[in-house]
Amino acid sequence: EAQVTQNPRYLITVTGKKLTVTCSQNMNHEYMSWYRQDPGLGLRQIYYSMNVEVTDKGDVPEGYKVSRKEKRNFPLILESPSPNQTSLYFCASSFGRSYEQYFGPGTRLTVT
Amino acid sequence: QKEVEQNSGPLSVPEGAIASLNCTYSDRVSQSFFWYRQYSGKSPELIMSIYSNGDKEDGRFTAQLNKASQYVSLLIRDSQPSDSATYLCAVNALNNNAGNMLTFGGGTRLMVKP
Repeated sequence: EAQVTQNPRYLITVTGKKLTVTCSQNMNHEYMSWYRQDPGLGLRQIYYSMNVEVTDKGDVPEGYKVSRKEKRNFPLILESPSPNQTSLYFCASSFGRSYEQYFGPGTRLTVT
Repeated sequence: QKEVEQNSGPLSVPEGAIASLNCTYSDRVSQSFFWYRQYSGKSPELIMSIYSNGDKEDGRFTAQLNKASQYVSLLIRDSQPSDSATYLCAVNALNNNAGNMLTFGGGTRLMVKP
């Protein structure tokens, strides 16, 4: 089954404790992206990747890091999480950045 | 002006009615248009795509595109309570920071009342 997977689905952590949210797709998509979604603010892009080893900032990159060492994986790293990073996070993939995107199930992160 | 704009709603319609959701966009050279449905706390799900002017029908859903007026709409016929969700419009638009890429509107919340 073609899909985008994310782990963990739910995470509660404390300020400053490094964490990684994994994202994997099995559709051989070149483009992958991370979004956060907050009430009233819609989907905001954090980082995106056009292909292996090619990443770039989205609209709200501060406090996040990404890497793309393999085509199928695109982890999101929070080196020192803060409470304002409490949000619902989605990973998405597509054949290119102007094509339809397919979303993972989401990760609900709470930072206390 | 945002690249992709939607009325946030909520749009309330009775069961069985036609729900009409609208989206306007600013980039005249946009070529690809998508509608996503998102239930509360769930991920966006692609329900329609449209690339040329006119109507495209898929079951109870019809997407309408008017490039001259720069709007795209989604009609849901025979609305059901299970259609209650937020509908996101996404457009291939020119983003000043990153060139041509898929840009999402803020979404319209639809409520279908039994």
